[in-house]
Amino acid sequence: GQNIDQPTEMTATEGAIVQINCTYQTSGFNGLFWYQQHAGEAPTFLSYNVLDGLEEKGRFSSFLSRSKGYSYLLLKELQMKDSASYLCAVLDSNYQLIWGAGTKLIIKP
Amino acid sequence: IAGITQAPTSQILAAGRRMTLRCTQDMRHNAMYWYRQDLGLGLRLIHYSNTAGTTGKGEVPDGYSVSRANTDDFPLTLASAVPSQTSVYFCASSDSQGFGTDTQYFGPGTRLTVL
Repeated sequence: GQNIDQPTEMTATEGAIVQINCTYQTSGFNGLFWYQQHAGEAPTFLSYNVLDGLEEKGRFSSFLSRSKGYSYLLLKELQMKDSASYLCAVLDSNYQLIWGAGTKLIIKP
Repeated sequence: IAGITQAPTSQILAAGRRMTLRCTQDMRHNAMYWYRQDLGLGLRLIHYSNTAGTTGKGEVPDGYSVSRANTDDFPLTLASAVPSQTSVYFCASSDSQGFGTDTQYFGPGTRLTVL
């Protein structure tokens, strides 16, 4: 079966750095997405990786290793507004997104 | 309208009733999707449409039906609601025909409770 694993919850301090990991086992791979979802709101797109390596976008970076079935989202200079759930999703061989359950990130002052 | 809208925002429904969740996008995206999101689970695809006039089944299609008469609208119908269909429903769209990797954009969601 297809499986996406992420930690359920993480806590970090304002101004710090946090890394959210995602491991996947899917039937085929056509890219990996990270989305942010604030409580009670819709998911919003953060990043897309299809090749190995690091993609940097401001305070957020996303890394992919296809051989290891592994990705992480790195958030720097954490702000209170970064408190949200972070969803990892893989585009499988049928070009359908398979979603992880999400990681709830709690930022403390 | 800018982006994707969904209606209603929330609804309480008696079991056995028929319900249609509406979704409209103004981005002229080819592909549209319906997901449900339940606590502790990832988003699960119910149905999708790669282009107007075509639809397909996702991971959890039972008890739901969709239609895609035009590019903009993609309603989801529960023919006879059951309590297990209590969930938050998200509609999404992408500028893709199912073979690309374009980003999916989500509507604000409909919170449905079936009693």
